[in-house]
Amino acid sequence: KQEVTQIPAALSVPEGENLVLNCSFTDSAIYNLQWFRQDPGKGLTSLLLIQSSQREQTSGRLNASLDKSSGRSTLYIAASQPGDSATYLCAVPRNSGNTPLVFGKGTRLSVIA
Amino acid sequence: DVKVTQSSRYLVKRTGEKVFLECVQDMDHENMFWYRQDPGLGLRLIYFSYDVKMKEKGDIPEGYSVSREKKERFSLILESASTNQTSMYLCASSPVPGQGYYEQYFGPGTRLTVT
Repeated sequence: KQEVTQIPAALSVPEGENLVLNCSFTDSAIYNLQWFRQDPGKGLTSLLLIQSSQREQTSGRLNASLDKSSGRSTLYIAASQPGDSATYLCAVPRNSGNTPLVFGKGTRLSVIA
Repeated sequence: DVKVTQSSRYLVKRTGEKVFLECVQDMDHENMFWYRQDPGLGLRLIYFSYDVKMKEKGDIPEGYSVSREKKERFSLILESASTNQTSMYLCASSPVPGQGYYEQYFGPGTRLTVT
């Protein structure tokens, strides 16, 4: 059974700092991995999707990497801003292919001005 | 842009009421999902659907049912609302693998309070 873990559960950093959020999964046979952002009381916004054949994806100040063999992904945020404060979740499909996602419990990020 | 909409942002219902939560997506996606999100428990899958009139139970289907009469609409039904169903409900949709990226898109959520 696929399980996803995110460490740390919460993180507080000063504005401008570069930071890394971690995600690990137990079954390395994943189809893809998706990173989401969630603001308080809101839905999930997809940030990056990494296919199983890819090593990383970039969008602006965000860079996500994937190491399937070790069951890990990282989300790197460069030059953090107060507007980056949110909960970040990673998720992988339950099985290969067309299945629902399994989510980590998220990392709650606070960027202090 | 993919858009997933949910019928209500906030809803307050009484115990025992029948509650309908509606979700509509505009990207012709085959797959649709209902999750609930609770502090400390994360997102848990209630039901999902691969196609019209098809449904599959998720991890916590008890007390819920679903309806998918049209491809773009997926409804979650609380047959007799109870206080332990107070939660944030999130709907999502995705294409099937092979049709571009298999990326899941979420609606804004419905915060349901049952009193």
